[in-house]
Amino acid sequence: DSGVTQTPKHLITATGQRVTLRCSPRSGDLSVYWYQQSLDQGLQFLIQYYNGEERAKGNILERFSAQQFPDLHSELNLSSLELGDSALYFCASSRGPVNTEAFFGQGTRLTVV
Amino acid sequence: GNSVTQMEGPVTLSEEAFLTINCTYTATGYPSLFWYVQYPGEGLQLLLKATKADDKGSNKGFEATYRKETTSFHLEKGSVQVSDSAVYFCALIRQGAQKLVFGQGTRLTINP
Repeated sequence: DSGVTQTPKHLITATGQRVTLRCSPRSGDLSVYWYQQSLDQGLQFLIQYYNGEERAKGNILERFSAQQFPDLHSELNLSSLELGDSALYFCASSRGPVNTEAFFGQGTRLTVV
Repeated sequence: GNSVTQMEGPVTLSEEAFLTINCTYTATGYPSLFWYVQYPGEGLQLLLKATKADDKGSNKGFEATYRKETTSFHLEKGSVQVSDSAVYFCALIRQGAQKLVFGQGTRLTINP
């Protein structure tokens, strides 16, 4: 158990809908990272938050957004969903702003039908 | 840019065989290198890491040495077990950077 908790584990939704994925980092970790794992793109970095502020941005679509709350949990919002958004979404956390060792959650499997 | 290339899978071996999964990287400066493992239905777990040239990371019988001259970080294990069946990801992070850059993953299956 990495200490990073993601909910829900599975999500099935229709095209055009909006979903929210939730992540609770390990106790004491201030950084949260979101990654997308798909068959064709592999593991892609989406975005990082550190202590409530956006720290780094990767290949995140405009239809996607994230935030980190004062209690340090994070949410990834995916809207206007398309079939191609079906993927495994991972959250990871680390102590500081620089990623020296990240611990990953078990992921949320999103299926868009 | 920064990138990681892993040997193509899937790899199938018999129990107690010797394992090598090749990983080479392209990066500016001196990145840290990692191997992550993903067991079926689970998230990524850090297997081992190395932060500077000639460092050897090791864990659970797996080893990898950071070779700057060949820009490689090959994963090895002397005697694999069925329980090692998983997908293995090589990854790097540039010094001071935030994002891990992953290879495409190598699926390993160990037969009894």
